[in-house]
Amino acid sequence: AQKITQTQPGMFVQEKEAVTLDCTYDTSDPSYGLFWYKQPSSGEMIFLIYQGSYDQQNATEGRYSLNFQKARKSANLVISASQLGDSAMYFCAMRVSATGTASKLTFGTGTRLQVTL
Amino acid sequence: DTGVSQDPRHKITKRGQNVTFRCDPISEHNRLYWYRQTLGQGPEFLTYFQNEAQLEKSRLLSDRFSAERPKGSFSTLEIQRTEQGDSAMYLCASSDLTGMSNQPQHFGDGTRLSIL
Repeated sequence: AQKITQTQPGMFVQEKEAVTLDCTYDTSDPSYGLFWYKQPSSGEMIFLIYQGSYDQQNATEGRYSLNFQKARKSANLVISASQLGDSAMYFCAMRVSATGTASKLTFGTGTRLQVTL
Repeated sequence: DTGVSQDPRHKITKRGQNVTFRCDPISEHNRLYWYRQTLGQGPEFLTYFQNEAQLEKSRLLSDRFSAERPKGSFSTLEIQRTEQGDSAMYLCASSDLTGMSNQPQHFGDGTRLSIL
């Protein structure tokens, strides 16, 4: 079975500072993908960034980067230059995909990020 | 690309009533997923379709739940004889089946169900 653990229920960060949101995962499958989603109070889930288990480099998407440490089974999200609009719930999710095709996501419990002035 | 659309956004009903939700995926996406999210938790997988075929159902999907995707486009999720524990946000997502594992699932805004 797959499991995602997010140990930070809530985080505060000052505007323009960087913040790291932790995510650890557990799977016995060698082929998997890790995703981060943002969920504002309005409810929609917004895809942020993806890291594949065989990717050699850490993923980056604008102000988002993923600190992928495969041996530690961690995939932490780093948000640089935080903005007030970054205040939201952040979910780490995993897809186990031995064949490389799409399948269901397993989510963590999320981290609520609050950006302050 | 109009995104994933869900209807209604909110549903309030009495315990024991039946409810039906609709999801319209992104038009070119052939995979459609349903998730349930309770307060303070991440989404939990319920079921998914590839075109009109329902390929997997979670154990969370009791006999009172049924999902359909009759023409491989929109999908409906019906809950019969609703119970208090059914109160949750029901999220629909779709993705493209291209064989590329990095394809994300795109989510709708969800339907929030409240059971009185």
